[in-house]
Order: sequence, then C-alpha cells, then structure tokens
Amino acid sequence: SQKIEQNSEALNIQEGKTATLTCNYTNYSPAYLQWYRQDPGRGPVFLLLIRENEKEKRKERLKVTFDTTLKQSLFHITASQPADSATYLCALGSGGSYIPTFGRGTSLIVHP
Amino acid sequence: KAGVTQTPRYLIKTRGQQVTLSCSPISGHRSVSWYQQTPGQGLQFLFEYFSETQRNKGNFPGRFSGRQFSNSRSEMNVSTLELGDSALYLCASSLEATGEQYFGPGTRLTVT
Repeated sequence: SQKIEQNSEALNIQEGKTATLTCNYTNYSPAYLQWYRQDPGRGPVFLLLIRENEKEKRKERLKVTFDTTLKQSLFHITASQPADSATYLCALGSGGSYIPTFGRGTSLIVHP
Repeated sequence: KAGVTQTPRYLIKTRGQQVTLSCSPISGHRSVSWYQQTPGQGLQFLFEYFSETQRNKGNFPGRFSGRQFSNSRSEMNVSTLELGDSALYLCASSLEATGEQYFGPGTRLTVT
C-alpha cells in the first residue's frame, strides 16, 4: 500500500542553522509533491509545490528537492528562526488528482 | 481575498448526536475538500466536492456525508457521533490547476 513517511521525532535546531526535513514515500509515483506548515490548532498553510520533472524549487529561505529515484523529498529552511517552529507536512498527488495525500508531519523546534 | 472560513470553531457533542459543520471557500475556488485530523491518524481525506457534486471520497463510513451549494459553500454532516469522531475537521478549497489546498482554521469537535 502507499506510504508517506516523515520523521515522527521532533527536529530541534539552533537559530540561524539550516533545518532539513525529510519525506519518503513507497508504492507511489507522485506527479507532484507539496509542503505545508501547520501551527497548533490551525489549518495547514501551503508553502511550496514541486513537480516530478523538477529537481529543486526555492522560495525565499525555503528550498525543496524531489528525487523520484530515491523516492524522497528534502525540505530546507535556511537561517532558521524561532518563528519557523511548527509542524511541516508533505503531501503527494498523482497525475490528474487534485487531492494530495498527506504525511503525518514533522515538528520543527528552533531554539533562540 | 478572504481566506477559507469554517464555523463553528469549537463544538462539544454527546455520543449518538449529529453535527453539521460549515465551510466557505476562497472566492473563485470551486473545489472544496474535507479532512479529519487526529494525533493518531494524521490528516485523512473525507471527501471532495466540485460544482455541487461529490467527486472524490475517502475511506470513511456513511455516517460522514457532505454537500456543496451553488455558491461553493459546503457543509459536512456526521450522524450518530462516536467518541472516536473527536478531531479537528478541516476544510480546504483549491484551484484545480495546481492542487494547492488552502485550509480553513478548522472545527474542533469533541464528542463526550
């Protein structure tokens, strides 16, 4: 069955460092992959989308890579700040489907 | 543009009762999806409506139903509530072309 795996353990880093979160998937051939940020008690907020034919995408301090051979996406936040502390969800979608499937997310804690 | 709005934000119900949640999508978005989020299962897809028709359905029992009105507003109904239905219910609207989901703040349902 299709599986999306994100590290269930929280990632703790110091302010100013680069945070790297991982999203692995199995039994899936996604046409696109998305990353969302979710703060406690609130709905997820869309951050970035990357398509299967793209290797990397950037937006301000965010960078996403997509390796369809490794079946993995990496999400980087450079020069991290305490305000970046949140849970980050990856979501995968198949071609022709506008409904992505979400991973359970990884909590990021940035210490001042 | 105004974001996705959901009402009510919090709800406490008793087992066996039914509940109706409401969602107003972003203006111009015709696709509305509903998700259930719990600590144990993460974000799970319930169903999606487009132009008043249910287009996609997740793996939830028939007690969970929904509908969409001509103005794209959507409602979700859960009948015969069970303790396990306690969750954050999230509504998301999207533009079809990208699959990006724009989430509302959610309705926190507690079943006692």
